[in-house]
Amino acid sequence: DIQMTQSPASLSASLGETVTIECRASEDIYNGLAWYQQKPGKSPQLLIYNANSLHTGVPSRFSGSGSGTQYSLKINSLQSEDVASYFCQQYYDYPWTFGGGTKLELK
Amino acid sequence: EVQLVESGGGLVQPGRSLKLSCAASGFTFSNYYMAWVRQAPKKGLEWVATISTSGSRTYYPDSVKGRFTISRDNAKSSLYLQMNSLKSEDTATYYCARHGVSNSPWNWFAYWGQGTLVTVSS
Repeated sequence: DIQMTQSPASLSASLGETVTIECRASEDIYNGLAWYQQKPGKSPQLLIYNANSLHTGVPSRFSGSGSGTQYSLKINSLQSEDVASYFCQQYYDYPWTFGGGTKLELK
Repeated sequence: EVQLVESGGGLVQPGRSLKLSCAASGFTFSNYYMAWVRQAPKKGLEWVATISTSGSRTYYPDSVKGRFTISRDNAKSSLYLQMNSLKSEDTATYYCARHGVSNSPWNWFAYWGQGTLVTVSS
């Protein structure tokens, strides 16, 4: 199985700051990567797919990049509504696997 | 608007069975692979099962293979998860999810339901 390792596990940032979350795959996943946001008490919501494509309705301050085994999610100009947990997921190979998550809080 | 509404969760004893349902609307259900993803309390996400558009192909991780069965009824736009021989480690919120691209499972989970909690305990 492909292991997905996210870092950091938790993160504290100020409003307006730029935040970056990393995701490393145990082998090349050829951009088969998605990012999800899960707000407290809610279900996960898709943000990014194919490593860098923005899902419908997602604000443009979210962006994804990377290739091979290394990927990142960047949030520009952090807003209060971005407080959430973020998960990466690979779908290049079965079984589909998720990273452990990054909990983002406001400083 | 895509809507996925799960039901059927609850408290069940170890070794017993439970069947979850998911009612879908807002898209052509029969065109998409569907999935179940679970999240143990305060933990991360784990993919549990995926089913093809016709129901002829199913996919499971080793953790549930042989115990869980995913199925669908395209006429009712409904997805199901039959869970047998339940263990305490199956305690989680179970989400119904739609794959992102029609007619393929090799892609992301584009839409998620609100989840239904399953607690396995004596």
